[in-house]
Amino acid sequence: GDSVTQMEGPVTLSEEAFLTINCTYTATGYPSLFWYVQYPGEGLQLLLKATKADDKGSNKGFEATYRKETTSFHLEKGSVQVSDSAVYFCALTGGENYGQNFVFGPGTRLSVLP
Amino acid sequence: DTEVTQTPKHLVMGMTNKKSLKCEQHMGHRAMYWYKQKAKKPPELMFVYSYEKLSINESVPSRFSPECPNSSLLNLHLHALQPEDSALYLCASSQDIQLTYGYTFGSGTRLTVV
Repeated sequence: GDSVTQMEGPVTLSEEAFLTINCTYTATGYPSLFWYVQYPGEGLQLLLKATKADDKGSNKGFEATYRKETTSFHLEKGSVQVSDSAVYFCALTGGENYGQNFVFGPGTRLSVLP
Repeated sequence: DTEVTQTPKHLVMGMTNKKSLKCEQHMGHRAMYWYKQKAKKPPELMFVYSYEKLSINESVPSRFSPECPNSSLLNLHLHALQPEDSALYLCASSQDIQLTYGYTFGSGTRLTVV
């Protein structure tokens, strides 16, 4: 079945450091890919998405490119801030369970120190 | 209005109590969802409503009873819960079950069963 794998962390960085959170997926068909962020005590917020190969999603300084050849959707940010401390979930939809559900990765906890 | 509103934000209930969680959206979304999230885990799908009809029940125990009174409202009725049911309960909506644009999540209800 469809699955999403991501580095579980925790990832600890200093402010202004470069961030990469790896995400790879297994899916049939042509899934859409998403990054969600969950700040402490809150629900999940859509951070960015990409619906086809080579699409780049971007938002709030974060970017991720849909790479079908490597089945990856790595999240990057050039300079993290303390306020980026959160849990980041990579997810897909539209694989074998098209139209039925998201498949979430396990989440990566990011801590940014001042 | 681009939000999903969940009430209450926190709920403590005994194992013999009956309570309800409420979820509301005014984005015209036709699919609504209940998710359960345990600490440090991704959300797990419980129920899917599409056009106010129950579409998916992920083998959830009958002590959880969903209800969709209209296209904007989703309830989750709770009865005779167990301590292991303590979790963050998230409501989400989407334009439809194709999920092309992803979910909009509420902030959740943090439930503690004592």
